[in-house]
Amino acid sequence: EVQLLESGGDLVQPGGSLRLSCAASGFTFSSYAMSWVRQAPGKGLEWVSVISSSGGTTYYADSVKGRFTISRDNSKNTLYLQMNSLRAEDTAVYYCAKGGQSGAIRVGFDYWGQGTLVTVSS
Amino acid sequence: DIQMTQSPSTLSASVGDRVTITCRASQSISSWLAWYQQKPGKAPNLLIYKASSLESGVPSRFSGSGSGTEFTLTISSLQPDDFATYYCQQYNSYPTTFGQGTKLEIK
Repeated sequence: EVQLLESGGDLVQPGGSLRLSCAASGFTFSSYAMSWVRQAPGKGLEWVSVISSSGGTTYYADSVKGRFTISRDNSKNTLYLQMNSLRAEDTAVYYCAKGGQSGAIRVGFDYWGQGTLVTVSS
Repeated sequence: DIQMTQSPSTLSASVGDRVTITCRASQSISSWLAWYQQKPGKAPNLLIYKASSLESGVPSRFSGSGSGTEFTLTISSLQPDDFATYYCQQYNSYPTTFGQGTKLEIK
Protein backbone atom coordinates (compact mmCIF):
# COMPACT_ATOMS: atom_id res chain seq x y z
CA GLU A 1 0.00 0.00 0.00
CA VAL A 2 1.36 3.40 -1.02
CA GLN A 3 1.76 5.77 1.92
CA LEU A 4 3.00 9.34 1.99
CA LEU A 5 3.45 10.92 5.40
CA GLU A 6 4.29 14.61 5.64
CA SER A 7 5.76 16.25 8.69
CA GLY A 8 7.39 19.49 9.71
CA GLY A 9 4.50 21.90 9.49
CA ASP A 10 4.41 24.54 12.21
CA LEU A 11 3.69 28.13 13.15
CA VAL A 12 6.56 30.33 11.99
CA GLN A 13 7.13 34.08 11.92
CA PRO A 14 7.37 35.99 8.63
CA GLY A 15 10.91 35.75 7.29
CA GLY A 16 11.48 32.46 9.04
CA SER A 17 12.38 29.03 7.70
CA LEU A 18 10.91 25.56 7.86
CA ARG A 19 11.73 22.17 6.36
CA LEU A 20 8.98 19.79 5.41
CA SER A 21 9.52 16.07 4.99
CA CYS A 22 7.49 13.40 3.24
CA ALA A 23 8.24 9.79 4.10
CA ALA A 24 7.20 7.41 1.34
CA SER A 25 6.52 3.69 1.43
CA GLY A 26 4.78 1.01 -0.57
CA PHE A 27 6.38 1.78 -3.93
CA THR A 28 9.81 2.15 -5.53
CA PHE A 29 10.39 5.75 -4.48
CA SER A 30 13.46 6.23 -6.67
CA SER A 31 11.42 5.57 -9.82
CA TYR A 32 8.87 8.38 -9.49
CA ALA A 33 8.85 12.15 -9.69
CA MET A 34 7.46 13.80 -6.58
CA SER A 35 5.75 17.12 -6.10
CA TRP A 36 4.63 19.50 -3.38
CA VAL A 37 1.17 21.04 -3.76
CA ARG A 38 -0.33 23.50 -1.31
CA GLN A 39 -3.79 24.69 -0.42
CA ALA A 40 -4.39 27.93 1.45
CA PRO A 41 -7.33 27.90 3.87
CA GLY A 42 -10.58 27.83 1.92
CA LYS A 43 -8.77 28.10 -1.43
CA GLY A 44 -7.91 25.87 -4.35
CA LEU A 45 -4.87 23.76 -5.14
CA GLU A 46 -1.56 25.39 -6.04
CA TRP A 47 1.39 23.38 -7.32
CA VAL A 48 4.65 24.39 -5.62
CA SER A 49 7.52 22.27 -6.92
CA VAL A 50 8.49 18.99 -8.58
CA ILE A 51 11.63 16.88 -8.54
CA SER A 52 12.45 14.12 -11.00
CA SER A 53 12.99 10.53 -9.91
CA SER A 54 16.78 10.94 -9.85
CA GLY A 55 16.67 14.41 -8.35
CA GLY A 56 18.44 15.88 -11.35
CA THR A 57 15.54 18.05 -12.53
CA THR A 58 13.48 20.46 -10.47
CA TYR A 59 10.85 23.06 -11.25
CA TYR A 60 9.25 25.70 -9.05
CA ALA A 61 6.20 27.91 -9.10
CA ASP A 62 7.14 31.56 -9.59
CA SER A 63 5.59 32.34 -6.21
CA VAL A 64 8.27 30.31 -4.39
CA LYS A 65 11.24 30.42 -6.76
CA GLY A 66 14.41 31.51 -4.99
CA ARG A 67 12.88 30.89 -1.54
CA PHE A 68 11.97 27.18 -1.55
CA THR A 69 14.19 24.20 -2.42
CA ILE A 70 12.92 20.73 -3.17
CA SER A 71 15.17 17.71 -2.65
CA ARG A 72 14.97 13.98 -2.12
CA ASP A 73 16.97 11.21 -0.53
CA ASN A 74 16.24 8.03 -2.45
CA SER A 75 18.18 5.97 0.10
CA LYS A 76 15.75 7.13 2.79
CA ASN A 77 12.60 7.22 0.61
CA THR A 78 12.06 10.79 1.72
CA LEU A 79 11.11 14.01 -0.04
CA TYR A 80 11.93 17.42 1.40
CA LEU A 81 10.90 21.04 0.97
CA GLN A 82 13.18 23.68 2.47
CA MET A 83 11.18 26.87 2.88
CA ASN A 84 13.03 30.14 3.54
CA SER A 85 11.93 33.77 3.75
CA LEU A 86 8.41 32.69 4.56
CA ARG A 87 5.53 35.07 3.98
CA ALA A 88 1.98 35.22 5.26
CA GLU A 89 0.77 34.12 1.83
CA ASP A 90 2.68 30.84 2.20
CA THR A 91 0.20 29.80 4.89
CA ALA A 92 -1.37 26.58 3.64
CA VAL A 93 -1.67 22.85 3.98
CA TYR A 94 1.26 21.35 2.09
CA TYR A 95 0.75 18.00 0.40
CA CYS A 96 3.37 15.76 -1.11
CA ALA A 97 2.15 13.94 -4.19
CA LYS A 98 3.50 11.01 -6.19
CA GLY A 99 3.83 11.17 -9.95
CA GLY A 100 1.54 8.76 -11.73
CA GLN A 101 4.05 7.23 -14.15
CA SER A 102 7.43 5.74 -13.50
CA GLY A 103 10.24 7.88 -14.85
CA ALA A 104 8.03 10.69 -16.11
CA ILE A 105 7.98 14.21 -14.74
CA ARG A 106 4.97 15.52 -16.67
CA VAL A 107 2.37 13.53 -14.82
CA GLY A 108 -0.78 13.66 -12.79
CA PHE A 109 -0.57 12.77 -9.12
CA ASP A 110 -1.93 9.36 -8.19
CA TYR A 111 -1.22 9.40 -4.46
CA TRP A 112 -1.23 12.27 -1.98
CA GLY A 113 -0.21 12.54 1.64
CA GLN A 114 -2.58 13.78 4.32
CA GLY A 115 -0.94 17.20 4.37
CA THR A 116 0.93 19.27 6.93
CA LEU A 117 -0.13 22.78 7.97
CA VAL A 118 2.27 25.68 7.68
CA THR A 119 1.15 28.90 9.31
CA VAL A 120 3.18 32.06 8.78
CA SER A 121 2.19 34.70 11.29
CA SER A 122 3.68 37.00 13.89
CA ASP B 1 1.71 29.79 -17.89
CA ILE B 2 -1.32 27.80 -18.99
CA GLN B 3 -4.53 28.98 -17.34
CA MET B 4 -7.22 26.42 -16.52
CA THR B 5 -10.81 27.64 -16.18
CA GLN B 6 -13.52 25.42 -14.78
CA SER B 7 -17.26 25.92 -15.10
CA PRO B 8 -19.45 26.13 -13.27
CA SER B 9 -17.83 27.15 -9.99
CA THR B 10 -20.76 25.68 -8.07
CA LEU B 11 -23.21 23.06 -9.21
CA SER B 12 -26.36 21.98 -7.37
CA ALA B 13 -27.67 18.56 -8.26
CA SER B 14 -29.63 15.63 -6.89
CA VAL B 15 -28.77 11.98 -6.33
CA GLY B 16 -29.22 10.15 -9.61
CA ASP B 17 -28.58 13.21 -11.81
CA ARG B 18 -26.11 13.22 -14.66
CA VAL B 19 -23.68 16.12 -14.27
CA THR B 20 -20.94 17.58 -16.40
CA ILE B 21 -18.08 19.86 -15.39
CA THR B 22 -16.08 21.69 -18.04
CA CYS B 23 -12.41 22.66 -17.96
CA ARG B 24 -10.86 24.94 -20.58
CA ALA B 25 -7.15 25.49 -21.12
CA SER B 26 -5.72 28.78 -22.34
CA GLN B 27 -3.69 26.88 -24.94
CA SER B 28 -3.59 23.35 -26.27
CA ILE B 29 -2.53 20.72 -23.76
CA SER B 30 -3.17 17.70 -25.99
CA SER B 31 -4.63 15.12 -23.57
CA TRP B 32 -2.41 15.94 -20.61
CA LEU B 33 -5.24 16.54 -18.20
CA ALA B 34 -6.24 15.03 -14.87
CA TRP B 35 -9.35 15.31 -12.72
CA TYR B 36 -9.40 15.12 -8.92
CA GLN B 37 -12.09 14.89 -6.28
CA GLN B 38 -11.53 16.52 -2.90
CA LYS B 39 -13.66 16.27 0.21
CA PRO B 40 -13.37 18.73 3.13
CA GLY B 41 -10.28 18.16 5.24
CA LYS B 42 -8.97 15.44 2.92
CA ALA B 43 -6.32 15.21 0.24
CA PRO B 44 -7.38 15.20 -3.41
CA ASN B 45 -8.09 11.85 -5.04
CA LEU B 46 -7.17 11.16 -8.69
CA LEU B 47 -10.19 10.21 -10.80
CA ILE B 48 -9.10 10.59 -14.43
CA TYR B 49 -5.71 10.95 -16.12
CA LYS B 50 -4.72 11.61 -19.70
CA ALA B 51 -8.13 13.24 -20.17
CA SER B 52 -10.15 10.03 -20.38
CA SER B 53 -8.35 7.21 -18.57
CA LEU B 54 -10.12 6.05 -15.42
CA GLU B 55 -7.82 5.62 -12.43
CA SER B 56 -7.87 2.16 -10.90
CA GLY B 57 -10.55 1.78 -8.23
CA VAL B 58 -12.60 4.78 -9.40
CA PRO B 59 -16.27 3.96 -10.10
CA SER B 60 -17.22 3.71 -13.75
CA ARG B 61 -19.89 6.40 -13.37
CA PHE B 62 -17.00 8.87 -13.69
CA SER B 63 -15.76 9.57 -17.20
CA GLY B 64 -13.61 12.17 -18.88
CA SER B 65 -13.37 13.42 -22.44
CA GLY B 66 -11.78 16.10 -24.56
CA SER B 67 -8.47 17.12 -26.03
CA GLY B 68 -6.71 20.30 -26.99
CA THR B 69 -8.31 23.05 -24.95
CA GLU B 70 -11.72 21.76 -23.87
CA PHE B 71 -12.39 18.91 -21.48
CA THR B 72 -15.31 17.51 -19.52
CA LEU B 73 -15.81 15.35 -16.47
CA THR B 74 -19.13 13.55 -16.39
CA ILE B 75 -20.74 11.70 -13.52
CA SER B 76 -23.43 9.53 -15.03
CA SER B 77 -25.61 9.04 -11.94
CA LEU B 78 -24.73 11.04 -8.84
CA GLN B 79 -24.28 9.13 -5.63
CA PRO B 80 -24.29 10.66 -2.12
CA ASP B 81 -20.54 10.12 -1.86
CA ASP B 82 -19.92 12.28 -4.96
CA PHE B 83 -20.76 15.61 -3.36
CA ALA B 84 -17.33 17.22 -3.18
CA THR B 85 -15.10 19.71 -4.98
CA TYR B 86 -13.57 18.75 -8.31
CA TYR B 87 -10.37 20.11 -9.85
CA CYS B 88 -8.82 19.74 -13.27
CA GLN B 89 -5.04 19.90 -13.74
CA GLN B 90 -2.96 20.31 -16.86
CA TYR B 91 0.42 18.62 -16.93
CA ASN B 92 1.38 19.42 -20.51
CA SER B 93 4.05 21.79 -19.25
CA TYR B 94 5.42 23.25 -16.07
CA PRO B 95 4.21 25.03 -14.11
CA THR B 96 1.45 22.46 -13.91
CA THR B 97 -1.76 24.34 -13.12
CA PHE B 98 -5.10 23.55 -11.58
CA GLY B 99 -8.53 24.90 -12.30
CA GLN B 100 -10.17 26.92 -9.56
CA GLY B 101 -12.46 24.06 -8.60
CA THR B 102 -16.13 23.15 -8.96
CA LYS B 103 -18.12 22.55 -5.80
CA LEU B 104 -20.83 19.97 -6.32
CA GLU B 105 -23.63 20.53 -3.83
CA ILE B 106 -26.78 18.66 -2.95
CA LYS B 107 -29.90 20.35 -4.35
